[in-house]
Amino acid sequence: AQSVTQPDIHITVSEGASLELRCNYSYGATPYLFWYVQSPGQGLQLLLKYFSGDTLVQGIKGFEAEFKRSQSSFNLRKPSVHWSDAAEYFCAVAPSYNFNKFYFGSGTKLNVKP
Amino acid sequence: DAMVIQNPRYQVTQFGKPVTLSCSQTLNHNVMYWYQQKSSQAPKLLFHYYDKDFNNEADTPDNFQSRRPNTSFCFLDIRSPGLGDAAMYLCATSSPLGLRTDTQYFGPGTRLTVL
Repeated sequence: AQSVTQPDIHITVSEGASLELRCNYSYGATPYLFWYVQSPGQGLQLLLKYFSGDTLVQGIKGFEAEFKRSQSSFNLRKPSVHWSDAAEYFCAVAPSYNFNKFYFGSGTKLNVKP
Repeated sequence: DAMVIQNPRYQVTQFGKPVTLSCSQTLNHNVMYWYQQKSSQAPKLLFHYYDKDFNNEADTPDNFQSRRPNTSFCFLDIRSPGLGDAAMYLCATSSPLGLRTDTQYFGPGTRLTVL
């Protein structure tokens, strides 16, 4: 069965520091991969996605993610965090052939220290 | 600019009193989804519409129903809300080609409180 693991429930970083949020998945084939961000009381906003091709994906707000097949990972990175990045981040995995099966991780809450 | 719109943003209802949440979209996507998200949890899919075809998740309680009168609108009806139904309800849309997965676009959510 497919599953998504975000090992870090909470992360705190200082403003201006770099950030890496981890996402590991369990899936038999190459999945479609997504990162969403959710600000308090808001819906999910797509940051970036990977379907195929270049394994380093650029997204909005200065985020990027790298698909590593050998590690079954799709970690999210940002070189310099801004206070406005404080939010909850969800990794999602979906099979390429089943449009209604999005498997979400349990989320990572990011706090940003001034 | 809003693409997936949910109304109201906040809804308070009483235990057992039916409530309807609304979702509309300007993307002309053929699939619309309803998710339930409880505090500090991942969204949980309740059901989806592929055009007019309704698809219920196996573990969605019968208390939850949905209607899609046209492409743009989809409603979530909770027939007899219980305290455990208090949650954020998220609407999403996508435009898959056949069964092929595509990005889901989410609305801002409706926060439901049950008194």
